[in-house]
Amino acid sequence: DVKVTQSSRYLVKRTGEKVFLECVQDMDHENMFWYRQDPGLGLRLIYFSYDVKMKEKGDIPEGYSVSREKKERFSLILESASTNQTSMYLCASSLKGQGGYGYTFGSGTRLTVV
Amino acid sequence: SQQGEEDPQALSIQEGENATMNCSYKTSINNLQWYRQNSGRGLVHLILIRSNEREKHSGRLRVTLDTSKKSSSLLITASRAADTASYFCAPPGGEYGQNFVFGPGTRLSVLP
Repeated sequence: DVKVTQSSRYLVKRTGEKVFLECVQDMDHENMFWYRQDPGLGLRLIYFSYDVKMKEKGDIPEGYSVSREKKERFSLILESASTNQTSMYLCASSLKGQGGYGYTFGSGTRLTVV
Repeated sequence: SQQGEEDPQALSIQEGENATMNCSYKTSINNLQWYRQNSGRGLVHLILIRSNEREKHSGRLRVTLDTSKKSSSLLITASRAADTASYFCAPPGGEYGQNFVFGPGTRLSVLP
């Protein structure tokens, strides 16, 4: 069964910590995405990548960075975690093509910054 | 910029009834997708409809697309308690339509 795996379901971190959220897909997908989901706001795109070592800013990249050293892995980094980054983080992947393919989502990581 | 917006925000129906959710978007598209999210989990892709299609079916799901009105609808027939979830439409966004844009979704509750 093909899937996208996020390393943690729940995570609690302290303000100021550097946080790594890992996402791995086994479908050989070119595109990978990081979204955050907050009540009433829907999903907001943080960063995406359409190839190894490539990254593009989404709608809300401030306070985040990403890394894609291998095709199957896309990491989201919170450089210095803040309480307003408490959220559900969702990773997704898809085949390349201009919106013509559906996303496969991971189960999400619920991050709490205290 | 592109945005998908679902209506209503919440819907509560009895098991066996049909559920209809609507979606509006802002800019022209070449396709639109619908997703389901069970509580606290990731989203699951339900159906993709292309701009040259007016209607598409998948099991108990029926999706329509009206590009002249920039709107789409998702109909779930003979709903079941297991259909309780949030539903999102997702038109392509970004400069080249390379990513999808999600609204706040419709929260569907199917009561037994």
